[in-house]
Amino acid sequence: EIVMTQSPATLSVSPGERATLSCRASQSVSSNLAWYQQKPGQAPRLLIYGAFTRATGIPARISGSGSGTEFTLTISSLQSEDFAVYYCQQYENWPLTFGGGTKVEIK
Amino acid sequence: QVQLQESGPGLVKPSETLSLTCTVSGGSISSYTWSWIRQPPGKGLEWIGNIYYSGSTSYNSSLKSRGTISVDTSRNQVSLKLSSVTAADTAVYYCARSVGYGSSYFDYWGQGTLVTVSS
Repeated sequence: EIVMTQSPATLSVSPGERATLSCRASQSVSSNLAWYQQKPGQAPRLLIYGAFTRATGIPARISGSGSGTEFTLTISSLQSEDFAVYYCQQYENWPLTFGGGTKVEIK
Repeated sequence: QVQLQESGPGLVKPSETLSLTCTVSGGSISSYTWSWIRQPPGKGLEWIGNIYYSGSTSYNSSLKSRGTISVDTSRNQVSLKLSSVTAADTAVYYCARSVGYGSSYFDYWGQGTLVTVSS
């Protein structure tokens, strides 16, 4: 099983600032990496797939990068609607696995 | 707009079988892979397994063969059965769609349904 490790667990950021979230895979997942945003009481929402391709309707301030074992999700200027929990997910191998999440909170 | 809706009992007794249904509307179930994913309260996401519309399945071995996923294309429904449940199976259960066949990401999710395992 590929273990996905996200850091930090919690990120405190002021509105308008940049947020950088990390995701590390225990072995290479190539570019088979997705990012999701989850708000309280809601289902996760797809943000990024293929490590860097934005899903439909996702604003340009959200971007993904990386390949192999190291990935980054960047939110260039945090808006109020961006405060949430973010998960990465690999789809290189079975079973499909998620990271433990990074909570982005208001500083 | 594709919509997924999970349904089923919110309370299941220990050792019994959890049964959930995901109804897909606004689109066909064909040509897609459908997964069940769960999230214990306050915790992260765990993929349970999936089914291609043709019936081919894959499961997470962590479920120790307790899970069964089936599809009914005539009703546009996907079902999950999880046997011999314990309190550790208490979670919000989501169904989600992946494009095509095989391992992939999830582009549409249901709202989720909370299942509590308790006597």
